[in-house]
Amino acid sequence: DIVMTQSPLSLPVTPGEPASISCRSSQSLLHSDGYNYLDWYVQKPGQSPQLLIYLGSNRASGVPDRFRGSGSGTDFTLKISRVEAEDVGVYYCMQGLQTLLFTFGQGTKLEIK
Amino acid sequence: EVQLVQSGAEVKKPGESLKISCKGSGYKFATYWIAWVRQMPGKGLEWMGIIYPGGSDPRYSPSFQGQVTISADKSINTAFLQWSSLKVSDTAIYYCARREGGLDVWGQGTTVTVSS
Repeated sequence: DIVMTQSPLSLPVTPGEPASISCRSSQSLLHSDGYNYLDWYVQKPGQSPQLLIYLGSNRASGVPDRFRGSGSGTDFTLKISRVEAEDVGVYYCMQGLQTLLFTFGQGTKLEIK
Repeated sequence: EVQLVQSGAEVKKPGESLKISCKGSGYKFATYWIAWVRQMPGKGLEWMGIIYPGGSDPRYSPSFQGQVTISADKSINTAFLQWSSLKVSDTAIYYCARREGGLDVWGQGTTVTVSS
């Protein structure tokens, strides 16, 4: 199985400041089709998870452009250019390379200072 | 509007059976994979398995193989997750989600509580 490791697990951020979350996979997520099969999700308090980024760097519909996904192979990063209060929640990466056997990272809890 | 609506919260005793549902609307249900994800109290997300309602056998995470059964009925646009004998450790919120690129649409979650 592919193991996903996120860091940090807790991320206190001042509003207006940038934030960055790292996600590493135990195997390369770069498919022969050229895409990295890595998604980012956020679960806001009391809500279902929601998709932020898919295939490594593509923002999902309605996601503000202050969210940016980058990386390739085994190292990926989610960056928020300017954190807002509404961004509070737990952020998860998920690999979708292993055919129909996907795995999530442990989650990173973003909180406002 | 594309949405997945899950069945309501359940309270069960150990050893009982249970089947929860996830009904899709606003899109062609049979042509998108539906995944199931578990979230135990205070914990992270766990991939359980996935099914293509248009006609394929479900695929399971090794952690859940033999513990649950995933099925779908495309005639009623509904996917199911079932247990034949619940354990206290099955207490969790269960989400269904559609796979299109990423998991782009999620249900509201079904809370399952198993207690004697």
